[in-house]
Amino acid sequence: QVQLVESGGGVVQPGRSLRLSCAASGFTFNTYALHWVRQAPGKGLEWVAVISYDGINKYYADSVKGRFTISRDNSKNTLYLQMTSLRPEDTAVYYCARAHGGGYLSALDVWGKGTTVIVSS
Amino acid sequence: DIQMTQSPSTLSASVGDRVSITCRASQSISSWLAWYQQKPGKAPKLLIHKASSLESGVPSRFSGSGSGTEFTLTISSLQPDDFATYYCQQYNSYWTFGQGTKVEIK
Repeated sequence: QVQLVESGGGVVQPGRSLRLSCAASGFTFNTYALHWVRQAPGKGLEWVAVISYDGINKYYADSVKGRFTISRDNSKNTLYLQMTSLRPEDTAVYYCARAHGGGYLSALDVWGKGTTVIVSS
Repeated sequence: DIQMTQSPSTLSASVGDRVSITCRASQSISSWLAWYQQKPGKAPKLLIHKASSLESGVPSRFSGSGSGTEFTLTISSLQPDDFATYYCQQYNSYWTFGQGTKVEIK
């Protein structure tokens, strides 16, 4: 069964850091690009970042560029999102999602259930 | 940056209705468009990719059309399970979602 499971969310003070993880199973992890997408409370979906299958290519939304880092460990079938200098506007449910067909310029065909990040003092 | 605009923002309809949602891109995205369905508290679900390709397992009452800058998601006969929020997403240049269309019970 193809599955993505996020973890690492929680409540954090503004300016602090947090690392999210996304554990994958049921597919050949090292052949797919992976994304992070977030959704603020009551709002729409916002694309955050993507990483190629081999971890070489990474792209970020302007809203997180320079603060967030996407990475992956293909030996552990795990995707990460390191978030630093967190702001209240980063409060959201964070989803990891798989790129349809593997290439990163594609739709997102498998999604995790999400992990919630709350940035508040 | 490519902006995606959906209309309407909210759609009230009854079971059995044919409904359509429009998504417009700020510049041409060829056919690099996907549609997702999201229910409250759940992750989005891919319905259609490449503007008109139905994802495996998605009911055939869902269809997508369009290219360039204007796209449509159509549900031919609305079912109780279809009341949800729908998002378009372009992946021609980076990735951008529309603001969403909520389909509610009339």
